Amino acid sequence: AQRVTQPEKLLSVFKGAPVELKCNYSYSGSPELFWYVQYSRQRLQLLLRHISRESIKGFTADLNKGETSFHLKKPFAQEEDSAMYYCALKKNSGNTPLVFGKGTRLSVIA
Amino acid sequence: EADIYQTPRYLVIGTGKKITLECSQTMGHDKMYWYQQDPGMELHLIHYSYGVNSTEKGDLSSESTVSRIRTEHFPLTLESARPSHTSQYLCASSFPGRYGYTFGSGTRLTVV
Repeated sequence: AQRVTQPEKLLSVFKGAPVELKCNYSYSGSPELFWYVQYSRQRLQLLLRHISRESIKGFTADLNKGETSFHLKKPFAQEEDSAMYYCALKKNSGNTPLVFGKGTRLSVIA
Repeated sequence: EADIYQTPRYLVIGTGKKITLECSQTMGHDKMYWYQQDPGMELHLIHYSYGVNSTEKGDLSSESTVSRIRTEHFPLTLESARPSHTSQYLCASSFPGRYGYTFGSGTRLTVV
């Protein structure tokens, strides 16, 4: 079965420092990977998808099939980046729901 | 406005009561999901549906039931609420293909 691991429950960084939120997955096929974000008192929302290869709010994530990772990165953290971040995986075949990691709370300290 | 709506936002109810959490979306999505978000903020899939009259149980064992009689409506029912059901319940929907989910604002349920 597919599984998503986010090893850090809490990550604290100073404003302006680089951020890397780790995500590893286990799945034998070709997955589709996503990052979701939940700001305080807001809905869970899609941040970015690996297939889009986009940068959203300065965040990027590259799928590394060799290391089975999809780490989320931002070169300079901002206070407004403080939120809960979830990595999610979808099998690239069949009709199956997303599998979410346990989430990492990012706290950016001024 | 095309969106996904959950009601109520907050609910406090006594043990043993029957409750229905409402979820409706106006985006024409055929897939809908219910997740339970526990105090540690982890998400657990409890039910999903890929269309009218189609429902499946998720990974988390749940005493709830769902129905999908209309495309836009996916209510979740607890026949007899217990304190262990206290949690936040999130509804989501999606289109087929490589797109993410749209989540509702959630229902925070407290069973006393």
